[in-house]
Amino acid sequence: AQSVTQPDIHITVSEGASLELRCNYSYGATPYLFWYVQSPGQGLQLLLKYFSGDTLVQGIKGFEAEFKRSQSSFNLRKPSVHWSDAAEYFCAVDLRGQAGTALIFGKGTTLSVSS
Amino acid sequence: DAEITQSPRHKITETGRQVTLACHQTWNHNNMFWYRQDLGHGLRLIHYSYGVHDTNKGEVSDGYSVSRSNTEDLPLTLESAASSQTSVYFCATYTGLAGDEVGELFFGEGSRLTVL
Repeated sequence: AQSVTQPDIHITVSEGASLELRCNYSYGATPYLFWYVQSPGQGLQLLLKYFSGDTLVQGIKGFEAEFKRSQSSFNLRKPSVHWSDAAEYFCAVDLRGQAGTALIFGKGTTLSVSS
Repeated sequence: DAEITQSPRHKITETGRQVTLACHQTWNHNNMFWYRQDLGHGLRLIHYSYGVHDTNKGEVSDGYSVSRSNTEDLPLTLESAASSQTSVYFCATYTGLAGDEVGELFFGEGSRLTVL
């Protein structure tokens, strides 16, 4: 069955420092992959998604992610973190290998930003 | 604008009572989903539907049921609420823009349920 692992439960970075959040998935074929962000007390917002093509995808708020099939990874990166990036981040993979199907989410990584 | 609406936003109930959480979307999309969010567990899929009269069990479906009688609504029912079902529940559907093959899973604002 498809699964998603986010190895880091909580990460703290300094404002202005670079960020990388890890995501590993278990899937037999090429998956649809997503990163969502949830600010405190808010709903979930899509940051970026990958299905095919260029393995480096750009998202909103200056985020990018790279799909590496050999490592079954889809890590999220940002070159310079802002205090407003403090939130919980979720990686997700599709359930059936088709667009528009149910997503399975990782347990999330909480990002804290120190000044 | 198209939207997805959940109600009630907050509910407190007692163990053993039946509870229904409503979800209504105006995206006119066939696919709808229910998730629960708990600290340390992220979002877990409860039930989902790919069209009218279609329902499927997700990762944590025990104690929950859904029905899909039209495109717009997917109510989630807890037949006999348990304290373990205290959680925040999110309904979701896909928003698809022309030319966007993947689409975006768009979430409602959530329903916070407390079972005492």
